[in-house]
Amino acid sequence: DTEVTQTPKHLVMGMTNKKSLKCEQHMGHRAMYWYKQKAKKPPELMFVYSYEKLSINESVPSRFSPECPNSSLLNLHLHALQPEDSALYLCASRSRGQGPQETQYFGPGTRLLVL
Amino acid sequence: SQKIEQNSEALNIQEGKTATLTCNYTNYSPAYLQWYRQDPGRGPVFLLLIRENEKEKRKERLKVTFDTTLKQSLFHITASQPADSATYLCALVSNNNDMRFGAGTRLTVKP
Repeated sequence: DTEVTQTPKHLVMGMTNKKSLKCEQHMGHRAMYWYKQKAKKPPELMFVYSYEKLSINESVPSRFSPECPNSSLLNLHLHALQPEDSALYLCASRSRGQGPQETQYFGPGTRLLVL
Repeated sequence: SQKIEQNSEALNIQEGKTATLTCNYTNYSPAYLQWYRQDPGRGPVFLLLIRENEKEKRKERLKVTFDTTLKQSLFHITASQPADSATYLCALVSNNNDMRFGAGTRLTVKP
């Protein structure tokens, strides 16, 4: 199984809502990432988890709260978002090692619209 | 400050020609450099990875070079096809798993 899955595919939420994005991989990768991507822009790094511990937080507003409950799952909890937070949210995972294990995988993304 | 620059926002070439995309970086010491393909509305798809101590990597019609002195990577697609049309992103990965992307080059291969 060489796939990163993300749910939901689409999400519309109001500014007072609380929602969560989910990401799952079963490749044994121990580094997992959240990225935000606006239209016609590259993915912007938000968070990195390494061995289930938060290793990088790119000064992301506290209305985004990541969680890594185990080595296969990564969540992004959303609360009191702003319309400018509307974007494609991408999850990725990576394994450190030699050969094919270095391959990096992205999920299909969750397209978020904040009204 | 750290910068990753891809030489052009858009590149148009004729089918059958070789497409060459450039990725330059400053104030980085990456352990790896990667190239991805992204189609509209989809997540990036990993294509190739090259380490700091490697000069060149090939995979089918794709070739990547990495010059740590020039701080530059070149990405070549030979015998290009219209199906190669997409946005191509370079990404630098450091030893602490930090991974950053360039702005991307939108390649269009015309039949």
